[in-house]
Amino acid sequence: DTAVSQTPKYLVTQMGNDKSIKCEQNLGHDTMYWYKQDSKKFLKIMFSYNNKELIINETVPNRFSPKSPDKAHLNLHINSLELGDSAVYFCASSPRARVYGYTFGSGTRLTVV
Amino acid sequence: QKEVEQDPGPLSVPEGAIVSLNCTYSNSAFQYFMWYRQYSRKGPELLMYTYSSGNKEDGRFTAQVDKSSKYISLFIRDSQPSDSATYLCAMIKETSGSRLTFGEGTQLTVNP
Repeated sequence: DTAVSQTPKYLVTQMGNDKSIKCEQNLGHDTMYWYKQDSKKFLKIMFSYNNKELIINETVPNRFSPKSPDKAHLNLHINSLELGDSAVYFCASSPRARVYGYTFGSGTRLTVV
Repeated sequence: QKEVEQDPGPLSVPEGAIVSLNCTYSNSAFQYFMWYRQYSRKGPELLMYTYSSGNKEDGRFTAQVDKSSKYISLFIRDSQPSDSATYLCAMIKETSGSRLTFGEGTQLTVNP
């Protein structure tokens, strides 16, 4: 059973399109995250939700909007995609009692052409 | 200036070598220290975590934290080709919730 699953794994789309990435965790964790990994492998947090409540909102363009319908799901919607949005987007989750106990998904490789 | 600095490598060693990976950080508010391993086209997986200064050992891996020098290390003994991956250090400040701040990652290749 996959602990943190993301769909799709690969996404190729044209500039200006709107796309969504979905994430689900079956670990019972309280907190879910979106991280972005650029071409140099640098990982940076974008958003964090704790039990459906937004708790971290880094300086990302308004075109990025997360949504958490329940504790086990966190989606990322991106409007008006730009070339610079090309990256790997990782979903992750962690339990409340062990903030260091992150589990990452396998990533969504987004390419904007 | 980045809060966490890590030499991106690449680092290439022969099988059986001892590997030393390092990160430095600038903010003394960092309290939790982690090492993640990331294989190509996969998500990072937690290798080790430490909270205090000192050493922590798990099999062939040893994590070391020196808070006074703001320096953390990961040692891999008897390195194997299967250890070839990118190693990322990551840290959490007590005041920033559970936000992970990562180093750039060091790409390691262990040659048979």
